[in-house]
Amino acid sequence: DADVTQTPRNRITKTGKRIMLECSQTKGHDRMYWYRQDPGLGLRLIYYSFDVKDINKGEISDGYSVSRQAQAKFSLSLESAIPNQTALYFCATSDRDRGAFFGQGTRLTVV
Amino acid sequence: GESVGLHLPTLSVQEGDNSIINCAYSNSASDYFIWYKQESGKGPQFIIDIRSNMDKRQGQRVTVLLNKTVKHLSLQIAATQPGDSAVYFCAENGGGSGNTGKLIFGQGTTLQVKP
Repeated sequence: DADVTQTPRNRITKTGKRIMLECSQTKGHDRMYWYRQDPGLGLRLIYYSFDVKDINKGEISDGYSVSRQAQAKFSLSLESAIPNQTALYFCATSDRDRGAFFGQGTRLTVV
Repeated sequence: GESVGLHLPTLSVQEGDNSIINCAYSNSASDYFIWYKQESGKGPQFIIDIRSNMDKRQGQRVTVLLNKTVKHLSLQIAATQPGDSAVYFCAENGGGSGNTGKLIFGQGTTLQVKP
């Protein structure tokens, strides 16, 4: 969905490096999410934010942190990347009535 | 823990036939369900949703059926087209008032459409 933009789209990084994935949305939704997808599997929730001052851990938050800089921006950081964090990362947004709408994803490889 | 599962990892259908993709969910507190389509290299695309106060909802060429008694969800695609080839995921919200985006996903069914 072009209304949810993720950068970068692809990234290769080395073990131990810090990396930030960024997400911005033009849908005007208060709620934003970060999900991870591993090959052949469904998505799993990393973190979510229901508004700018609200941050919550999801199912698999260990090794990740987030920042909600504004209603439209939600970034995901890996403080010290490790190979098993190699995955597809998706940002999503929703409101109280419907959701979630996903971005195109970031393919992250940790070598 | 909670799980959302699909009965078949791969479904192969002839172009023009109807497709039915099934999903079993385990959390009886879930009150909102979504079907997503994911094409290779793309993010999940919202297809159709349904709330637990309904048992059927129709969209354009798609119908979602919800059977809360047996915790079963299905997606029906009418007159399947080659462009429908993708992985389909069901997702549930695990409950929570107004929770539309904190979702639990199944593992997906790959739909292959034969010309």
